[in-house]
Amino acid sequence: GQQLNQSPQSMFIQEGEDVSMNCTSSSIFNTWLWYKQEPGEGPVLLIALYKAGELTSNGRLTAQFGITRKDSFLNISASIPSDVGIYFCAGSGGSNYKLTFGKGTLLTVNP
Amino acid sequence: DGGITQSPKYLFRKEGQNVTLSCEQNLNHDAMYWYRQDPGQGLRLIYYSQIVNDFQKGDIAEGYSVSREKKESFPLTVTSAQKNPTAFYLCARSIDRSRGPQHFGDGTRLSIL
Repeated sequence: GQQLNQSPQSMFIQEGEDVSMNCTSSSIFNTWLWYKQEPGEGPVLLIALYKAGELTSNGRLTAQFGITRKDSFLNISASIPSDVGIYFCAGSGGSNYKLTFGKGTLLTVNP
Repeated sequence: DGGITQSPKYLFRKEGQNVTLSCEQNLNHDAMYWYRQDPGQGLRLIYYSQIVNDFQKGDIAEGYSVSREKKESFPLTVTSAQKNPTAFYLCARSIDRSRGPQHFGDGTRLSIL
């Protein structure tokens, strides 16, 4: 089946720093989704990408759908303490829209 | 709550017992999903439904069952056949399946007594 590698596994940064995380796939995807999950809660959809090369922003968050259709990245600018959480990427390819999730990036922001 | 409600928040199962997790949405969306999350893992799809009275198995459907008798409700039953049920269960909805899960509920944490 499809494999999806998300990196880094965890990040420890200082408040105000920029953050970058990415996902790579073993196969071509048609959709990339980025979620954030806080402890004890369900994931929240941050950004959805449906076209290769697409670059989309949501406040301080920016995500891109890689031109090869096998990767995507998420950037967070000027991090703040409430950015803490686990960030998941998810992608799907083919007509069945079956999503594969990455294992997540745990972000810790030191004030 | 993003228009989707899961209950209960915590659930305990005795050996040999079936338990049912509730998922309700109030936005008239067609697609609903059930995912399982284990510590340090991504989400894995159990079942999904695109329309009423229709549902499809995901990657880990064994030991689980669902129904979709009403558009707003998509309950998940964890049967006694599921030998490792301890996990965080998440329900999600979307306008249609091509968009992927757009809103998740707050989850149900299931544990074994």
